[in-house]
Amino acid sequence: GAGVSQTPSNKVTEKGKYVELRCDPISGHTALYWYRQSLGQGPEFLIYFQGTGAADDSGLPNDRFFAVRPEGSVSTLKIQRTERGDSAVYLCASSSGVGASPLHFGNGTRLTVT
Amino acid sequence: AQTVTQSQPEMSVQEAETVTLSCTYDTSESDYYLFWYKQPPSRQMILVIRQEAYKQQNATENRFSVNFQKAAKSFSLKISDSQLGDAAMYFCAYRSQGGSEKLVFGKGTKLTVNP
Repeated sequence: GAGVSQTPSNKVTEKGKYVELRCDPISGHTALYWYRQSLGQGPEFLIYFQGTGAADDSGLPNDRFFAVRPEGSVSTLKIQRTERGDSAVYLCASSSGVGASPLHFGNGTRLTVT
Repeated sequence: AQTVTQSQPEMSVQEAETVTLSCTYDTSESDYYLFWYKQPPSRQMILVIRQEAYKQQNATENRFSVNFQKAAKSFSLKISDSQLGDAAMYFCAYRSQGGSEKLVFGKGTKLTVNP
């Protein structure tokens, strides 16, 4: 079946602009995660959804970052007033459950803020 | 908070040889899960192998196996008969049992396979 799909693959924006990054999880997966990966680093957790609600948003760096999952499927990560330090690869993952259920990752969106 | 440490930023191995990637973690929990993920240049994280902490037996998936030492909080990955396609970034990750379901990743090890 189809894997996790992220769009766009690459996004270049100017400092101060607003961006939206989209994630289509694997059908039927209730858990959805957003991670940010800076160059040469491991992925850093941003937010985790179980269904429609954010079960853990402790990784969001500040109030410029916000994510939604209104129908429990597609999720959008929104970044306001982008800064050059926001440049990174944003990874989305989904999972069918908890515990040892593996996370299935998308190919990520590379965000570049100029 | 849990932390994961990968002390080898880069490793190299000859094709067909064996290589071991190191990972240690810090936690006060007794029940948890550990994972190794592979990230090729395509950026997609691919699950290599997973281990439940309550299981004493080391996990094995074909050419990939782990050495899980719970008391030492060590979780190394052994790749046997290395292939050119194994070249990638490898990340060790920790997940609590219960509570937040997030994965905590190490900084990764870049593996090069020489022909």
